[in-house]
Amino acid sequence: GQQLNQSPQSMFIQEGEDVSMNCTSSSIFNTWLWYKQDPGEGPVLLIALYKAGELTSNGRLTAQFGITRKDSFLNISASIPSDVGIYFCAGSAQAGSNYKLTFGKGTLLTVNP
Amino acid sequence: NAGVTQTPKFQVLKTGQSMTLQCAQDMNHEYMSWYRQDPGMGLRLIHYSVGAGITDQGEVPNGYNVSRSTTEDFPLRLLSAAPSQTSVYFCASSRQGAQPQHFGDGTRLSIL
Repeated sequence: GQQLNQSPQSMFIQEGEDVSMNCTSSSIFNTWLWYKQDPGEGPVLLIALYKAGELTSNGRLTAQFGITRKDSFLNISASIPSDVGIYFCAGSAQAGSNYKLTFGKGTLLTVNP
Repeated sequence: NAGVTQTPKFQVLKTGQSMTLQCAQDMNHEYMSWYRQDPGMGLRLIHYSVGAGITDQGEVPNGYNVSRSTTEDFPLRLLSAAPSQTSVYFCASSRQGAQPQHFGDGTRLSIL
């Protein structure tokens, strides 16, 4: 089956620093999604990407859909303590639908105040 | 508007017991899916449905059954629980088309 390699597995940063994480796939995806999960809760959608090369921002978060359609990047600028959590990338290989998602294993982000 | 509601939030079962995890959404979403989340494994798709009366298997379907008799509900059944099914289970829903999935808060299931 399809696999997503998400890196890094964990990050420990100081408040105010910028963060970058990425996902790579062995196959092409038509949609890339980035979710954040807080302890005891379900994943919450941060950014959705639908076209190769697309660059989308949501506040301090910016994500890009790689040109090859096999990777995606998420950047967080000027991190704050509430950014702590697990960040997941997810991809859909189907055209026009996202009901079958493949997830990365997550990046655990810790922000030191 | 409650979004995606999962019940129960926690459950402990003995090996061999059966159980149904409930999932309901009030957004009239066509698509619904079940995932399990294990440490270090991310989320893996168990079963999914593209509409009432239609279900299909995902990546890890063995040991689980689903049905979709209404648009709103998508229950997940464990017929004979095994310790390997100890996990956190998430239900998700989305509109038809390339719309992102929205997740419930999960059911934490332990099987002894």
